Amino acid sequence: AQSVSQHNHHVILSEAASLELGCNYSYGGTVNLFWYVQYPGQHLQLLLKYFSGDPLVKGIKGFEAEFIKSKFSFNLRKPSVQWSDTAEYFCAAHPARGATNKLIFGTGTLLAVQP
Amino acid sequence: GAGVSQSPSNKVTEKGKDVELRCDPISGHTALYWYRQSLGQGLEFLIYFQGNSAPDKSGLPSDRFSAERTGGSVSTLTIQRTQQEDSAVYLCASSRDSGGLFFGSGTQLSVL
Repeated sequence: AQSVSQHNHHVILSEAASLELGCNYSYGGTVNLFWYVQYPGQHLQLLLKYFSGDPLVKGIKGFEAEFIKSKFSFNLRKPSVQWSDTAEYFCAAHPARGATNKLIFGTGTLLAVQP
Repeated sequence: GAGVSQSPSNKVTEKGKDVELRCDPISGHTALYWYRQSLGQGLEFLIYFQGNSAPDKSGLPSDRFSAERTGGSVSTLTIQRTQQEDSAVYLCASSRDSGGLFFGSGTQLSVL
């Protein structure tokens, strides 16, 4: 079955620490991959996406993610986090080709950045 | 409006009652999604509408759940005979293509 896994459920970091959030997917073919972020009290919003090409994708607010096909992974990274990065982060995927663009989400990672 | 609009923002109901949740997508967006967000469960896919195609209902948890999209725009999610386990935030999202979803602020449903 198609699925997206996020193994870090809750991460606590100090400001300026580096961040890496894991995401693995299970799909039969080519996928499009996304990271969404939900800041406290706000809507979910798109952070970055990967469709094809350069496997290292740059997003907003200094975030990046690397698609590693052999590991079925799309981990999110940021070299130096800020207090304002405190939020819940969701990885998501859907088939790149096919009849549906049904987007499946992981269970989310809650990031708390301490000042 | 400029964004995805959902109503009501909060709904408290009694077990066994029916509820209707409404979603107004962004104008021109052909795809519309419903998700359910529960604490610790992430976003659970419910249903997906794409243009005039038959909806993908594979995520609806039971036959008490149904959704329709009229005129390719507004969508209504209906939950019949609500149960306490239906309590969650119901999120609607729309998109123009596969580039990314725009989410509404959700409806917080509480079943007493």
